[in-house]
Amino acid sequence: QSVLTQPPSVSAAPGQKVTISCSGSSSNIGINYVSWYQQLPGTAPKLLIYENNKRPSRIPDRFSGSKSGTSATLGITGLQTGDEADYYCGTWDSSLSAVVFGGGTKLTAL
Amino acid sequence: QVQMVQSGAEVKKPGASVKVSCKASGYTFTDYYVHWVRQAPGQGLEWMGWINPNSGGTNYAQKFQGWVTMTRDTSISTVYMELSRLRSDDTAVYYCARERSRNYHDSSDAFDIWGQGTMVTV
Repeated sequence: QSVLTQPPSVSAAPGQKVTISCSGSSSNIGINYVSWYQQLPGTAPKLLIYENNKRPSRIPDRFSGSKSGTSATLGITGLQTGDEADYYCGTWDSSLSAVVFGGGTKLTAL
Repeated sequence: QVQMVQSGAEVKKPGASVKVSCKASGYTFTDYYVHWVRQAPGQGLEWMGWINPNSGGTNYAQKFQGWVTMTRDTSISTVYMELSRLRSDDTAVYYCARERSRNYHDSSDAFDIWGQGTMVTV
């Protein structure tokens, strides 16, 4: 049972937009930065978004992040088949004194 | 090129210990905290703790306290994670990951560089 809640799967057609939600609480998302990671099959996670909505320089602007209250959202526009992966949100939980992750969302490009 | 290269796969018997290494290159080793994250087969990510390569200070997740030890060797820019009293449910891929900010530690900071992972089978 993950501290952060993500939908197990999402899907959309290539070229479309998809969003992945991440729900937390006042002790984690509510007061700390959220980051997002992409994990392609058989590989290590890769940082997509940090500090809620900032992208590392190598990440295309098709990927975006936002946060409101105790929830965060990852958005992907112009979906590509190469975007098929597992996506994880993460943050610090000040009550648990631990980094916590969502359970992961499997993205399928139909 | 900034990278973190981990040691190879391990197979251990229950009750044994395993020590995984993570060698950093392409940046100043002591400027960035390093975290360890594990992933059981088909499961999500689980944070284990961090080490400050500069001071050697550590912070372990409560679940792993008394059970995990993180160390570093600055002469070879390498951090280590040792897990003792292994059980079958410790079977997982273990990743090291660099905290993003240089010379500044923020608990909610992201992990920008990851090792390739080390499979530990118990």
